[in-house]
Amino acid sequence: GQQVQQSPASLVLQEGENAELQCNFSTSLNSMQWFYQRPGGSLVSLFYNPSGTKQSGRLTSTTVIKERRSSLHISSSQTTDSGTYLCAMENSGGSNAKLTFGKGTKLSVKS
Amino acid sequence: GPKVLQIPSHQIIDMGQMVTLNCDPVSNHLYFYWYKQILGQQMEFLVNFYNGKVMEKSKLFKDQFSVERPDGSYFTLKIQPTALEDSAVYFCASSLEGVDTQYFGPGTRLLVL
Repeated sequence: GQQVQQSPASLVLQEGENAELQCNFSTSLNSMQWFYQRPGGSLVSLFYNPSGTKQSGRLTSTTVIKERRSSLHISSSQTTDSGTYLCAMENSGGSNAKLTFGKGTKLSVKS
Repeated sequence: GPKVLQIPSHQIIDMGQMVTLNCDPVSNHLYFYWYKQILGQQMEFLVNFYNGKVMEKSKLFKDQFSVERPDGSYFTLKIQPTALEDSAVYFCASSLEGVDTQYFGPGTRLLVL
């Protein structure tokens, strides 16, 4: 089964609304990362967040390792936030990381 | 943030030919990765590389695939020979430590005809 489950699969917002994206992991993990994938395909790292809460501008990521979940909160959404948000976990158990990705949440923000 | 570059951005080749994808990782990074994303599908890990060696590879990393980083130059993914199912976007990534933030390049879009 899927090791990384993202929800919702897609989300449509009006500009100014907030969004909460979820990521659940079926196994224990060492760390996790949130990415934004632009419509053209390139990836931008948003957060490396093994545990706790991190904030950057309008984005907040919270990871609860014991509960095997992480969330990404987007406040006051803008049309430029549209794209796909990916979460990925690292659980190799060694020092050599490999990321396992979820299928993504496709966000569309309308003006 | 730190930049990873990939060359070329697009490549179209005939099935059976060889292709080399080039990655210029972040300058002080030590760990390098390749991932594959078929259009509309999930990003999947192919291989990681450290200290001149493949550390781990997935089942997607077929015998026709190889990676190297000769003399600290480009980190390359070579496919020889290519197959139709190799058509995908290939992303290179690098990190300073093994379990650390991975920075991704913009991808190389490979189309095998």
